[in-house]
Amino acid sequence: KNEVEQSPQNLTAQEGEFITINCSYSVGISALHWLQQHPGGGIVSLFMLSSGKKKHGRLIATINIQEKHSSLHITASHPRDSAVYICAALYHTPGGAQKLVFGQGTRLTINP
Amino acid sequence: DAGVIQSPRHEVTEMGQEVTLRCKPISGHDYLFWYRQTMMRGLELLIYFNNNVPIDDSGMPEDRFSAKMPNASFSTLKIQPSEPRDSAVYFCASSWRGPATEAFFGQGTRLTVV
Repeated sequence: KNEVEQSPQNLTAQEGEFITINCSYSVGISALHWLQQHPGGGIVSLFMLSSGKKKHGRLIATINIQEKHSSLHITASHPRDSAVYICAALYHTPGGAQKLVFGQGTRLTINP
Repeated sequence: DAGVIQSPRHEVTEMGQEVTLRCKPISGHDYLFWYRQTMMRGLELLIYFNNNVPIDDSGMPEDRFSAKMPNASFSTLKIQPSEPRDSAVYFCASSWRGPATEAFFGQGTRLTVV
């Protein structure tokens, strides 16, 4: 069964702290997405990666294919980083289509 | 480009009524996705299209749900008849080259079936 597990489900931290959100998946994937959902509900794609590491500003995403694990890091966190972060694993179905399976999300709150 | 545009933003309807959600993807994007988000199940992919052709509809929950893409700039998701358990936020997204590339999301349609 294709599953995606995120941890923690909720995370509260103080401004400036280093944040790590984890994502594990059950079987081989072709790519993994990290999404950010703002309190207003809008969804933004942060990263798509299939190996190694990607960095954008204060956000860093890593993936370890052997361990079936990805992490999203936020350096020097800020209250505006408060959002729900969702990882999604891209699987190939037996029929050849590509299927995104989503984690349940991590609700991050950064207090000033 | 204005991004992915969904309408309506909010819809309240009575059980048994037909509901149609609309989406205009970003011009030039070949892929269009419909997602549903609920508190219980999180985000789920319902169906996606490539060049207006449905590629994978295995996420469509049942026959009451149907999606069409008559042209490259318009798609609909229809629920007939609607049920209270269909209440959710429905997102449309589009991308250049499929699920492995960055997707751009619309603002979503919040559907409430009473």
